Amino acid sequence: QSVLTQPPSVSGAPGQRVTIFCTGSSSNIGAGYDVHWYQQLPGAAPKLLIYGNTNRPSGVPDRFSGSKSGTSASLGITGLQAEDEADYYCQSYDTSLSGSVVFGGGTKLTVL
Amino acid sequence: EVQLVESGGGLVQPGGSLRLSCAASGFTFSTYTMNWVRQAPGKGLDWVSYISSSGGTTYYADSVKGRFTISRDNAKNSVYLQMNSLRDEDTAIYYCVTYSSSSDDAFDIWGQGTMVTVSS
Repeated sequence: QSVLTQPPSVSGAPGQRVTIFCTGSSSNIGAGYDVHWYQQLPGAAPKLLIYGNTNRPSGVPDRFSGSKSGTSASLGITGLQAEDEADYYCQSYDTSLSGSVVFGGGTKLTVL
Repeated sequence: EVQLVESGGGLVQPGGSLRLSCAASGFTFSTYTMNWVRQAPGKGLDWVSYISSSGGTTYYADSVKGRFTISRDNAKNSVYLQMNSLRDEDTAIYYCVTYSSSSDDAFDIWGQGTMVTVSS
């Protein structure tokens, strides 16, 4: 089991909006640590999508957005496109673990 | 171009050893901390190990502590992962990752990964 909890799968039709939640606890997200999000296309290495809870790296479309509140964070994707079909992972830090980097279990996004 | 290239993966028997290498280019390697992250087949991402820019500080996931050793050679722009007493559950793609100054502490630089298969 991952320290950060994500739904195994979400789906949406092209053009729709989906939200992926990442739930933590008082020792990670709730302790004030930033949450980052990664997109992993089939057969590829993960790619940074959102950093510092809400920031998009250069080149990431503004259809992708992030937010954080309390012990949870979320990734929003608007105007769904076929190429958004991928696995999405949240990442943060945890005070109770050696080295402290923790990932969510990942969410498979299917574009219907 | 900023690049991380892993090598050294392969098939090894349970209890065996393997040394992974990661060659960095396109940035001032000696000023960057480095990490290894792995992904078992069909599974999610798992952080494995961290090393500071000087090499003086290292951290390990509990699942590999005492079996894996991370090291670096700043003169060769390389980071290594020595894996001993390998188990079936260590089978995974191993990624070399780091973060730049423009991403806070998020991993924005990833290698392509190297596959390690532990099987008899």
